[in-house]
Amino acid sequence: KQEVTQIPAALSVPEGENLVLNCSFTDSAIYNLQWFRQDPGKGLTSLLLIQSSQREQTSGRLNASLDKSSGRSTLYIAASQPGDSATYLCAAPNDYKLSFGAGTTVTVRA
Amino acid sequence: GAGVSQTPSNKVTEKGKYVELRCDPISGHTALYWYRQSLGQGPEFLIYFQGTGAADDSGLPNDRFFAVRPEGSVSTLKIQRTERGDSAVYLCASSLYLSYEQYFGPGTRLTVT
Repeated sequence: KQEVTQIPAALSVPEGENLVLNCSFTDSAIYNLQWFRQDPGKGLTSLLLIQSSQREQTSGRLNASLDKSSGRSTLYIAASQPGDSATYLCAAPNDYKLSFGAGTTVTVRA
Repeated sequence: GAGVSQTPSNKVTEKGKYVELRCDPISGHTALYWYRQSLGQGPEFLIYFQGTGAADDSGLPNDRFFAVRPEGSVSTLKIQRTERGDSAVYLCASSLYLSYEQYFGPGTRLTVT
């Protein structure tokens, strides 16, 4: 069974600082890994999908790395902005269903 | 194009009542998934469909929960004899094929009083 852990549970930074969000998973036999953003009371928005053959994926200020052998993925957000305040969730596949971490809640202070 | 839609957005029901939650996936997506999210936690898997058939329903908590996708598009999650512990946000997702990127709807917030 896939177990996903995210550390830290919450993070508060001043605007402009870079963010580093960590995700670990127990079953390294994954075919991809997804990072999501969730705003309060809303659904999940897919940010990045990393295929198992990739080591990283980039979209704008977001960069996600994947190390299958160690069971870890990291989401980097460069030059954070108040609009980045949200909960970030990583999800690793367990068969074809996703196992989620509890998320990291980010607050970017103006 | 249109994303995944879910109706209703909010549902308040009394304990013991029956509820139906609807999901409209992205057009052309063959796989559809249901998850449940409690406050402060990540979503938990309930069931997924490949086409019309339920390929994996191992996450359904008990036999009060049932889901259908009769024509391989819209899906309905049905909960009988609701309990207060069923209160949560029910999320639906779809993907082009199994193992592809999953796209989520806005969710239905179910409150059982």
